[in-house]
Amino acid sequence: DAGVIQSPRHEVTEMGQEVTLRCKPISGHNSLFWYRQTMMRGLELLIYFNNNVPIDDSGMPEDRFSAKMPNASFSTLKIQPSEPRDSAVYFCASRGDAQPQHFGDGTRLSIL
Amino acid sequence: SQELEQSPQSLIVQEGKNLTINCTSSKTLYGLYWYKQKYGEGLIFLMMLQKGGEEKSHEKITAKLDEKKQQSSLHITASQPSHAGIYLCGADSAGTASKLTFGTGTRLQVTL
Repeated sequence: DAGVIQSPRHEVTEMGQEVTLRCKPISGHNSLFWYRQTMMRGLELLIYFNNNVPIDDSGMPEDRFSAKMPNASFSTLKIQPSEPRDSAVYFCASRGDAQPQHFGDGTRLSIL
Repeated sequence: SQELEQSPQSLIVQEGKNLTINCTSSKTLYGLYWYKQKYGEGLIFLMMLQKGGEEKSHEKITAKLDEKKQQSSLHITASQPSHAGIYLCGADSAGTASKLTFGTGTRLQVTL
């Protein structure tokens, strides 16, 4: 079975540029999560969706970050404009009812 | 807010030895999730505990949630090099199984 698929795996870009991270959840899962992992702060929940609707975005650091889920099989996390402090590994996870969250392999983002 | 402490932060054990990792919460837990992460990869789900006193095992890994549901332990018996990685506990203190707070992780090395 295909797991959570994230793209790209690595992204290096200059500050000020727009960055778009993509996620395809596991088929049949109805909740999707975006996390950020850094050495300093560990793994933090940014936002999660249930049935494509954003439920809690209190972890989104600031207005430069936005996330969308146009359908059940696709979500994006966008940073515009990007800053060096946004450098981190970004994970997407999905889950079905009464199931644990399953994580993708992450996108390693470096902002120069 | 949820505070989650993991101990130890890192651990080096000789192959064949047993080890225990602890996860302590400042709040009562509705659920506790254990994950394993290897460098450059996503989190792999290990076990989910929801009831006080619950214990689950998979292969050589056993996880327990104490009666008061504020502490969990992960025990590995006869460790192998394949057990090396970072172990993370994730706490559900809201009962939604969605808004998880993760510990800072325990880095395990297994020497030959």
